[in-house]
Amino acid sequence: SQQGEEDPQALSIQEGENATMNCSYKTSINNLQWYRQNSGRGLVHLILIRSNEREKHSGRLRVTLDTSKKSSSLLITASRAADTASYFCATDATGNTDKLIFGTGTRLQVFP
Amino acid sequence: DAGVIQSPRHEVTEMGQEVTLRCKPISGHNSLFWYRQTMMRGLELLIYFNNNVPIDDSGMPEDRFSAKMPNASFSTLKIQPSEPRDSAVYFCASSPGTLNTGELFFGEGSRLTVL
Repeated sequence: SQQGEEDPQALSIQEGENATMNCSYKTSINNLQWYRQNSGRGLVHLILIRSNEREKHSGRLRVTLDTSKKSSSLLITASRAADTASYFCATDATGNTDKLIFGTGTRLQVFP
Repeated sequence: DAGVIQSPRHEVTEMGQEVTLRCKPISGHNSLFWYRQTMMRGLELLIYFNNNVPIDDSGMPEDRFSAKMPNASFSTLKIQPSEPRDSAVYFCASSPGTLNTGELFFGEGSRLTVL
C-alpha cells in the first residue's frame, strides 16, 4: 500500500510561474524524499529532508516538512518547460529505513 | 558512471510465457530494489536486497514472481507463467547504503506487455 499521496494529481502552469505540490503520509518517518520522472524514464532523486528539518532548498526547489501534520510540500520557482514531469514523494516505512514507499505522484505540465 | 542498467527495455510476450528481467546496479551499492509501476497502482515495491540477501519480499504479488541476486553486480526478476495483468514498467534501483542517509538510483525500466 502507498504511504504517501500527492495533491494535486495534475497541475498545469505557464513558464515563469511557481508550482507547488503537496504530499501527505500516514505514519512516522525518518526522512522524506522527492523524485522526478520524465515520461518514459526512470525516477531521479531531487532532494531529501530529514524528520528534524523543517525546510530545505536546492536551486529552484524548496521543500518543507511538517511532521505534526504528516505533510510535505515541494515548490518549484520560476518554472520552465523542461520541468514538465511527474513528481513523487517517498518515505521510509515505519521502523524500516531501508524500505522506500512512493506516493501517487503529481503530473506537472509547464507551458512555454 | 554507467548508472543502473536494465534489460530488456521493452518486452512483448504471450500469456503463459516466462519473462526474465535483468538489472545491473551501480558498482559499490549495497542495496537493490525492484519496483513495478502501473497507472492503477502507481509505484509498488516488490522486493529488496541488502548485500545480495533478500530482506523483504512482501510486495511480490504471488508465487509466479521470483527474484534473485547471485552476486553484487546482477539481479533478475522472473515471472513464470506471465499473465496480462503483469503488464507494467518494472524498475530496478540501487542505493549505496541505508536510505536514511541516501537516495535511490533508478534504471530506465523494462516495459513489459503480456498479450
